[in-house]
Amino acid sequence: EPEVTQTPSHQVTQMGQEVILRCVPISNHLYFYWYRQILGQKVEFLVSFYNNEISEKSEIFDDQFSVERPDGSNFTLKIRSTKLEDSAMYFCASKEFPGQNYGYTFGSGTRLTVV
Amino acid sequence: AQSVTQLGSHVSVSEGALVLLRCNYSSSVPPYLFWYVQYPNQGLQLLLKYTSAATLVKGINGFEAEFKKSETSFHLTKPSAHMSDAAEYFCAVSSISGNTPLVFGKGTRLSVIA
Repeated sequence: EPEVTQTPSHQVTQMGQEVILRCVPISNHLYFYWYRQILGQKVEFLVSFYNNEISEKSEIFDDQFSVERPDGSNFTLKIRSTKLEDSAMYFCASKEFPGQNYGYTFGSGTRLTVV
Repeated sequence: AQSVTQLGSHVSVSEGALVLLRCNYSSSVPPYLFWYVQYPNQGLQLLLKYTSAATLVKGINGFEAEFKKSETSFHLTKPSAHMSDAAEYFCAVSSISGNTPLVFGKGTRLSVIA
């Protein structure tokens, strides 16, 4: 069964450093998402991406965050200057059809620890 | 705006007992509803989804959920709990059309006692 692949599975970084989280969505999917889950809390939407641009973003997704699809396969989330409160599990998801809101496939996540 | 409320942050059942995890939703438009499971140190796995077809939805691992519009509920059940069912369960809602993102509940941790 096709999978969404996320790398690395765990990343530790110092506060103030830039991090890039990588995701390889399912090849024929067109819509991409990032969610995050702070330890013990609910999964929260960060951003959605379609046709090489951001479709929607939450209040969490401020100027410190950016996304891009640099090579047509990878989908990346960059945090420019990490803060302690950015420590969380980050999930990538993809969806095949833009107009149908089912069929999301999530990756296994990247656990980001900011020290 | 859409939201889901999961009643009970932690549910504990004996092995072989009925599992009932509660989810109520709020949506101004017809919803799609989902249950996801997260095993320790793993990602989110789709258990089942309601997409306006049958109101009783069967998922993987023996789980099922029933969409009740009159009660705005989508409770998850399993007749007989196994030790391997111990995990975090998330209810989520989205709209039928468009590209609105999933909105998750806070999750319910299921413990299964031998």
